Amino acid sequence: DAKTTQPTSMDCAEGRAANLPCNHSTISGNEYVYWYRQIHSQGPQYIIHGLKNNETNEMASLIITEDRKSSTLILPHATLRDTAVYYCIADTGGFKTIFGAGTRLFVKA
Amino acid sequence: GAVVSQHPSRVICKSGTSVKIECRSLDFQATTMFWYRQFPKKSLMLMATSNEGSKATYEQGVEKDKFLINHASLTLSTLTVTSAHPEDSSFYICSARDGQREFNEQFFGPGTRLTVL
Repeated sequence: DAKTTQPTSMDCAEGRAANLPCNHSTISGNEYVYWYRQIHSQGPQYIIHGLKNNETNEMASLIITEDRKSSTLILPHATLRDTAVYYCIADTGGFKTIFGAGTRLFVKA
Repeated sequence: GAVVSQHPSRVICKSGTSVKIECRSLDFQATTMFWYRQFPKKSLMLMATSNEGSKATYEQGVEKDKFLINHASLTLSTLTVTSAHPEDSSFYICSARDGQREFNEQFFGPGTRLTVL
């Protein structure tokens, strides 16, 4: 699986959009970009995934650059409950998933 | 849908005892289950991958005789920490993949916090 690089931490004001970047410059053609988040002392939660096209669901939007070397997860209206560690993973969906350090998002009132 | 449960959520045991943690997929058949451990302020570390009816595949550095994994059915996997010691204290998390889904996102359990005294 391709290695991903994310900022260590980010702040966001409550009610504003949170834009979380991820670099995956070595991603291969059959690897999807998956995003998970982990709220303190809980198991991770699946958010969204995509291959080439931008994706949107009830939780977030995923914007993938045309060359697929980076992506951005967008939480359109962040709330205090969105404070969590967000993990970006490039994964073929095959044998196993390796988690990096992720981005610690702090949503502030 | 796609709910994974873990039991117990928290366990405290004495050094030298064995602890079993159950992971269940409640509304889907989990062809593959994964076990992770997580230390405070650290990321998840994959311990092993198990497929129903076959032996688990352990990551490098994880002792298979120490961490026994049984994936007896498509909805249940267990992790037994044998002869637990204080250094085994950690947050253990399981996840499962639904073999019927088109994509391979993982669904995680809520985790089990193990404290070995």
